[in-house]
Amino acid sequence: LAKTTQPISMDSYEGQEVNITCSHNNIATNDYITWYQQFPSQGPRFIIQGYKTKVTNEVASLFIPADRKSSTLSLPRVSLSDTAVYYCLVGVRDNQGGKLIFGQGTELSVKP
Amino acid sequence: DVKVTQSSRYLVKRTGEKVFLECVQDMDHENMFWYRQDPGLGLRLIYFSYDVKMKEKGDIPEGYSVSREKKERFSLILESASTNQTSMYLCASGAWRETQYFGPGTRLLVL
Repeated sequence: LAKTTQPISMDSYEGQEVNITCSHNNIATNDYITWYQQFPSQGPRFIIQGYKTKVTNEVASLFIPADRKSSTLSLPRVSLSDTAVYYCLVGVRDNQGGKLIFGQGTELSVKP
Repeated sequence: DVKVTQSSRYLVKRTGEKVFLECVQDMDHENMFWYRQDPGLGLRLIYFSYDVKMKEKGDIPEGYSVSREKKERFSLILESASTNQTSMYLCASGAWRETQYFGPGTRLLVL
């Protein structure tokens, strides 16, 4: 069964670096890995996207190993406003062809 | 700035009613998506459309239908609402394998 797996929750303190890993064993060859952030009562918001190796933008970094079976979202120096749920989205291949699958989401709580 | 809007933020309907949820995007995207989001289950794809009048079933299409008469508009239809369709419904547009842009969501309560 194709699926993605993330930790359900994580706790951190302001100023720390947070790393959230998503496992996706059946990722499709040509598909990207995308991470979203969601606040309560809002739709998910795009954070970062990558295909392989490392991608960095103004808010996060994304690390993808050579086998692409996992990816790690890295949030440098988190603040209270980074408290949210983080989802990975990947395209996977299964016995029914292909589909897009969201991870179950990681609820990040940043404390003062 | 990209924009995806949904017709209602909150909706209360009765069992058996026909429910329309509308989504409009202004980014000229070919693809549009409908998801539902439930606690503990994350986001699950109901239907998507890759072109006007084209649609494909997602993971949980049962009890739903969709309509895409114009490129910018994608409607989700609950033919006969049931209590197990109480959920948060999210519309998105974008590329199939790349970035999707989400609307604010519609929280539907079926009594």
